[in-house]
Amino acid sequence: DVKVTQSSRYLVKRTGEKVFLECVQDMDHENMFWYRQDPGLGLRLIYFSYDVKMKEKGDIPEGYSVSREKKERFSLILESASTNQTSMYLCASTNLGSYNSPLHFGNGTRLTVT
Amino acid sequence: SQELEQSPQSLIVQEGKNLTINCTSSKTLYGLYWYKQKYGEGLIFLMMLQKGGEEKSHEKITAKLDEKKQQSSLHITASQPSHAGIYLCGAASNNNDMRFGAGTRLTVKP
Repeated sequence: DVKVTQSSRYLVKRTGEKVFLECVQDMDHENMFWYRQDPGLGLRLIYFSYDVKMKEKGDIPEGYSVSREKKERFSLILESASTNQTSMYLCASTNLGSYNSPLHFGNGTRLTVT
Repeated sequence: SQELEQSPQSLIVQEGKNLTINCTSSKTLYGLYWYKQKYGEGLIFLMMLQKGGEEKSHEKITAKLDEKKQQSSLHITASQPSHAGIYLCGAASNNNDMRFGAGTRLTVKP
């Protein structure tokens, strides 16, 4: 079974802190994604990557950056955390080239910024 | 980007009743995925549809993709409390991205 592991289940950070959310997958997937999930808004795509060192902005990249130095790891960085970044963050991976591979999700990181 | 609209936003049904959730796209769907999420957890893949008119079933859940590949429905027969959760449809584009609808929160009353 594919495993997508997010480093933290719960995080509490202060406004202005730099925050790192880590995601590791063990299936050699090309594509990795970061979403945030908020009530009533569903999953919104922050950034995605289709290869090592490649990154693409999603719909809401402002205030975030990402890093993909190794194929299995995709990190989301909040440069200066703000209270409006309090949310559930979900990482996912797949191979999307032929549109026939579902995303596999981690269990999520619930981030609270105070 | 792919816009996906789900309806209804929330649904409360009595155990044993049938229900349908809809997902409509602003563009032709190249791959439509249904996921289920229990509160506070990650998403679990249910089914994927690719061809116009395609229909798939797993236990009491059936998903269909219309011929024009712009609308999908998820039908649950004889709902049970274990079916409760948030159901999301997602679609891949040719830009290597994947986007989702806002989700439908299903409550099943015993």
